Amino acid sequence: EVQLVESGGGLVQSGGSLRLSCAASGFTLSSYAMSWVRQAPGKGLEWVSVISGSGASTYSADSVKGRFIVSRDNTKNTLYLQMNSLRAEDTAVYYCAKGSTFYYGSGSYYSLWGRGTLVTVSS
Amino acid sequence: DIQMTQSPSSLSASVGDRVTITCRASQSINNYLNWYQQKPGKAPKLLIYAASSLQSGVPSRFSGSGSGTDFTLTISSLQPEDFATYYCQQSYSTPQTFGQGTNLEIK
Repeated sequence: EVQLVESGGGLVQSGGSLRLSCAASGFTLSSYAMSWVRQAPGKGLEWVSVISGSGASTYSADSVKGRFIVSRDNTKNTLYLQMNSLRAEDTAVYYCAKGSTFYYGSGSYYSLWGRGTLVTVSS
Repeated sequence: DIQMTQSPSSLSASVGDRVTITCRASQSINNYLNWYQQKPGKAPKLLIYAASSLQSGVPSRFSGSGSGTDFTLTISSLQPEDFATYYCQQSYSTPQTFGQGTNLEIK
């Protein structure tokens, strides 16, 4: 079955760290760029980070730049999001999503999403 | 960063109605515009990519149009399962920003 399953969420204190994982199955992870998208409680979607199929290229939103690191291990079919210096405003459900191509260039879209994992940052 | 603005933010409609949601980009994004549907407690679902291409498995009552800065998502005849929140997303450049969402409610 083609699916993405996130894990690693939980309750963490402000200033703390957390690492999210996204396990992919049913497709060749290395062929696709992958993104993290988050959604604060009752709010809209916010694009967070993206990584190319090989992992050589990454990009993160200004709101997390310097604090969050996206990476992947294609041999383990797993995507990661290392979150450091967490703030209350990082509280959200974090989704991983499969890109449409190897790179995240113009025209990419996300056709497969995980169910999400909740990160709660207490102040 | 490219800003995406959806209108309206919320909309009440009845089963069978024709509904249109608009998305405007702060600069030209060619046709690099995607539409997603999200139901409460669920992950987003891709409906339309490249402004007007229907994702496999999505009912044909959904359609998209536009290019440059102005785009629309149209549902030709609302069904009960269509009541949800809809988001546009630009993929012209990173960060690949989303609109604020349009909450489609039952009248």
